[in-house]
Amino acid sequence: AQSVTQLDSHVSVSEGTPVLLRCNYSSSYSPSLFWYVQHPNKGLQLLLKYTSAATLVKGINGFEAEFKKSETSFHLTKPSAHMSDAAEYFCVVSDRASLSGNTPLVFGKGTRLSVIA
Amino acid sequence: SAVISQKPSRDICQRGTSLTIQCQVDSQVTMMFWYRQQPGQSLTLIATANQGSEATYESGFVIDKFPISRPNLTFSTLTVSNMSPEDSSIYLCSVTPTGVVNEQYFGPGTRLTVT
Repeated sequence: AQSVTQLDSHVSVSEGTPVLLRCNYSSSYSPSLFWYVQHPNKGLQLLLKYTSAATLVKGINGFEAEFKKSETSFHLTKPSAHMSDAAEYFCVVSDRASLSGNTPLVFGKGTRLSVIA
Repeated sequence: SAVISQKPSRDICQRGTSLTIQCQVDSQVTMMFWYRQQPGQSLTLIATANQGSEATYESGFVIDKFPISRPNLTFSTLTVSNMSPEDSSIYLCSVTPTGVVNEQYFGPGTRLTVT
């Protein structure tokens, strides 16, 4: 069965320093991988997705992620954190049909990113 | 992407009552889904809302508890029936727009508290 493990429940960085949010996945097939961000009291926003094209994926707001099949990882990075990046980040995998016959999204437990001024 | 709205944005309900949540999209979409996010937890798929037919539920979710309607390609409702405090969660609608493959866009969510 597909699953996602976000290795850190909380990451705290100083403004202007790099961000690394770690994600490992388990999948029996060729997965699609996503990162979503959830700001307080707001909906989920798609940051970026990987679907078997380039392994380095660039997303919005300066974020990027690299798909490493050998390590079953899809870590999210950003060179320089901004205060507005403080939010909850979810790593998501999708690889096969659920009971519904559609490809479900399986969410990690989330990583809360705090940015310190 | 699609613009998705949900009503209500939040509600406080008494146990034993039911609440219907609406999801409206500004354009026709292929797929519509309902998720639950329990306090401090991640998202879990409840069901896929099928246009013109019964919704398809994931393991652990049943139609009697979470009836879903989708009368057209831009609108769906989720009802949380006979509520208990354990139903306190954020309920989110998501869609896959027409012409888009393997992506979902989420509404702002409905924060439900059951007392």
